[in-house]
Amino acid sequence: GAGVSQSPSNKVTEKGKDVELRCDPISGHTALYWYRQSLGQGLEFLIYFQGNSAPDKSGLPSDRFSAERTGGSVSTLTIQRTQQEDSAVYLCASSLRTSGGATEQYFGPGTRLTVT
Amino acid sequence: AQSVAQPEDQVNVAEGNPLTVKCTYSVSGNPYLFWYVQYPNRGLQFLLKYITGDNLVKGSYGFEAEFNKSQTSFHLKKPSALVSDSALYFCAVRDMWNDKIIFGKGTRLHILP
Repeated sequence: GAGVSQSPSNKVTEKGKDVELRCDPISGHTALYWYRQSLGQGLEFLIYFQGNSAPDKSGLPSDRFSAERTGGSVSTLTIQRTQQEDSAVYLCASSLRTSGGATEQYFGPGTRLTVT
Repeated sequence: AQSVAQPEDQVNVAEGNPLTVKCTYSVSGNPYLFWYVQYPNRGLQFLLKYITGDNLVKGSYGFEAEFNKSQTSFHLKKPSALVSDSALYFCAVRDMWNDKIIFGKGTRLHILP
C-alpha cells in the first residue's frame, strides 16, 4: 500500500519568505509526527498530532513554526519568515495508536529545505 | 520529560565481527524503545521495538537489542556484521503516558570489508 508522502521533496527559498511543507500519512494512521534532521543534530522532535486531541507543540523551536492537521489526515508545517538556520530535512511520520502498546512509525522521504 | 542518548557518533567494525550500537534512555515509568536505520539517500526504516516481556528483542536484518532496566539501556547488536549494514542508526523512546517519541542523535555505523 501507499506509504507516507511528503511534498515538495526539495524547497529552496529566500530568507524572510514563508514556506509550507505537506505530509500525507498512511490511511488510517491516527498519529502524525514532524521532525527536523540537521547535520550532527539527529532527529529533532517538532510536533505531533494524535486523533482529535490537541497537538503536542513542545518541540517547535519558535513561534515562526506552526502546523495543522485537517480532517485527521493531511498535515501542513508552515515556517514564517524563514532563516538560514531553518535549513534542514523535515521528516513526517505516522503510526497507528493501539491501547496498551506502541506501534512503530512510518517515515516519509522528507522535504529538504534550503534557505538562501 | 523523556530523553535518549547515543554516546557514540560513529562505530567502526570489521565485516564478520559482532557489532554493538549503544543507547541509554530516561523516562518516567516504563519505556517503549525503538531502533530505526537510515541508509544513504533513503528514509528511516523501523528495525525493532521493546514494549514489554522478553528483554532480548529480535528485529529485521538479523539485528537484536537487549533491554536492561537497571542500566536504562537498549543496545543494538548483531552477531556478524555485513558491509551492507553501514548506515545511520537511531534509538528512540516513548514513555507510557503519551505518544511523543524522542530520538537520539544517531550513530553512524561503518562496516569495514
